Amino acid sequence: RKEVEQDPGPFNVPEGATVAFNCTYSNSASQSFFWYRQDCRKEPKLLMSVYSSGNEDGRFTAQLNRASQYISLLIRDSKLSDSATYLCVVKAGGTSYGKLTFGQGTILTVHP
Amino acid sequence: DAGVIQSPRHEVTEMGQEVTLRCKPISGHNSLFWYRQTMMRGLELLIYFNNNVPIDDSGMPEDRFSAKMPNASFSTLKIQPSEPRDSAVYFCASSNDRGRGLRGYTFGSGTRLTVV
Repeated sequence: RKEVEQDPGPFNVPEGATVAFNCTYSNSASQSFFWYRQDCRKEPKLLMSVYSSGNEDGRFTAQLNRASQYISLLIRDSKLSDSATYLCVVKAGGTSYGKLTFGQGTILTVHP
Repeated sequence: DAGVIQSPRHEVTEMGQEVTLRCKPISGHNSLFWYRQTMMRGLELLIYFNNNVPIDDSGMPEDRFSAKMPNASFSTLKIQPSEPRDSAVYFCASSNDRGRGLRGYTFGSGTRLTVV
C-alpha cells in the first residue's frame, strides 16, 4: 500500500463549482499534513497546512481525520486559475527530521 | 529572497555521460532535499541533508547517484554514468524548521534531465 494515496482524477469542473479532493495515508504516526499545488511544468508550491481542527484560507478548506487517516481539500467558487495538480503531503512520524511524502496528485481542470 | 536556485534548468546528455545538478538553498535554511519526479512514480525523495549532513539517502536509486553538500549554501546531485531511465525532473527543496517538516518546503524550479 502506498504511504499516501489520492484519486488521480482528472476532475473537470465549470467555473464557480465546488470540488473536493480526498487523500488517505498509511502511517498512523504521521505528524504534519499539507496540500501543495503544482502547475504544469512548474515546481510544487505550498498551498496550505492541514490542522486537526480543520482550517480555511479564502475559498480553500482543509480537513484532517486522524482516526480514519484521511485528509480532504475543498475548493469553493472555483476559478480558471485553480487548474493545476493538487498534491497531498504527509510528514512521517518517528523522526525529528522533516521527511515529507507526496501523493501522486489530483489533476483539476476548471473550464469556462 | 531569491528562493531555491537550481541549475541547469534543462540538461540533455548521452547515455554514459556524467551529469551534475546544482542547488543553492534559501539562505538560513538548514535542511535540503533532492526529489525526482516522473509521470509513473510521482515525486520521490532521493536524499536529504540537515546542517549539511546527509540524514537519509535510502531513496537514492543506486550507486550511480551521489549527492554532496559541502557548505550551507550549495549542494550537488551527480549521476555517473547516466542512463535513459534517469530522465526526469529533479527538484531541490529547502526548509528552515530544523527539518521537522512543520512548515513544508520551498522548491526550486527543477532541472529537466533527458538522457538519450
